[in-house]
Amino acid sequence: DVKVTQSSRYLVKRTGEKVFLECVQDMDHENMFWYRQDPGLGLRLIYFSYDVKMKEKGDIPEGYSVSREKKERFSLILESASTNQTSMYLCASRKLGPQYFGPGTRLLVL
Amino acid sequence: TQLLEQSPQFLSIQEGENLTVYCNSSSVFSSLQWYRQEPGEGPVLLVTVVTGGEVKKLKRLTFQFGDARKDSSLHITAAQPGDTGLYLCAIKGDSGTYKYIFGTGTRLKVLA
Repeated sequence: DVKVTQSSRYLVKRTGEKVFLECVQDMDHENMFWYRQDPGLGLRLIYFSYDVKMKEKGDIPEGYSVSREKKERFSLILESASTNQTSMYLCASRKLGPQYFGPGTRLLVL
Repeated sequence: TQLLEQSPQFLSIQEGENLTVYCNSSSVFSSLQWYRQEPGEGPVLLVTVVTGGEVKKLKRLTFQFGDARKDSSLHITAAQPGDTGLYLCAIKGDSGTYKYIFGTGTRLKVLA
């Protein structure tokens, strides 16, 4: 079975803090994705990576950066957290077929 | 730009009832995935349909891919409270992109 894990299920941070969200997959998938999910807006793609050290902006990259130093790990960084980044963050990975998602990180920025 | 519309947006039914939810695209797609997302969790893949007219069954869930490859449906027979969740359909974006397009989802609540 494909396993995608995320470092935290719940996080509470203060405005201006630097936040790291980590995602690890164990199936040697090339492609990895970060989404945020908000009520009424569905899943929106922040960034994706198609290989180690390769990344492309998604639909809403502003305020975020990513890092992919190893194939199995894809990190999302909020350089200076703001209250409008309070959301559910979902990581996904895929090889050739469908995407497989992690359990999500619910981030609250105060 | 491809769009995916799901209907209905919300559905609340009693245990034991049947239901169908729909996913429609503005253009033809090669394959489609259905996911179920429980509250506070990530989406879990249920099925991928790839052939026009294809029907796949997963216990009480029946997935159908339209002949014209622009729509899909999910039918649940004798719904149970454990079926409660957000049902999402997804397709891969235009050729040459890694992006996926997700529908806005159908939120199902099955009452005991």
